[in-house]
Amino acid sequence: DAKTTQPTSMDCAEGRAANLPCNHSTISGNEYVYWYRQIHSQGPQYIIHGLKNNETNEMASLIITEDRKSSTLILPHATLRDTAVYYCIVRVAGSNYKLTFGKGTLLTVNP
Amino acid sequence: DTEVTQTPKHLVMGMTNKKSLKCEQHMGHRAMYWYKQKAKKPPELMFVYSYEKLSINESVPSRFSPECPNSSLLNLHLHALQPEDSALYLCASSQANARTQYFGPGTRLTVL
Repeated sequence: DAKTTQPTSMDCAEGRAANLPCNHSTISGNEYVYWYRQIHSQGPQYIIHGLKNNETNEMASLIITEDRKSSTLILPHATLRDTAVYYCIVRVAGSNYKLTFGKGTLLTVNP
Repeated sequence: DTEVTQTPKHLVMGMTNKKSLKCEQHMGHRAMYWYKQKAKKPPELMFVYSYEKLSINESVPSRFSPECPNSSLLNLHLHALQPEDSALYLCASSQANARTQYFGPGTRLTVL
């Protein structure tokens, strides 16, 4: 699975959009980009995933660059409850069960 | 329902004790996982069960013994643990060969 690079930490004001970047320059054509988050002392929570097209669900939007070497997770209106470590993971679907977590980005939403 | 439940929430055990962690899901998922997470570190995969058979063991010491008695249940039996085994133990499940894993809240284990 391709490696990912994320900033260690980011801050965001409550009510504003949080944009979390992820670099995955060695991604292969059949690898998906997944985002999970982990609120302190809880289990990781699935947010969204995509292959090449932008994706949106009730939690967030995922923007993948055309060359697929980077992506951005967007939380449109961050709340204090969005404070968490956000993990960007790249993996091949189906054949490999393993989720390899990197260090992630600690997003702190401030009032 | 995308819920994975884990019991107990917290467990304190001595190095000579035998204890078990339990994980349950009712989403019809046929793959179940154990992860270990040390403080301030990301989760690390320990075991994967697919269709109730062990498919991946990430070179985990034998003092950790997984068991999958049926498609909804996953246990982790603990024996002769060391203090460095203290961690958050996370269970997850997914459809077989699927991309998305759903995690439980974890069991916080302390080994004295």
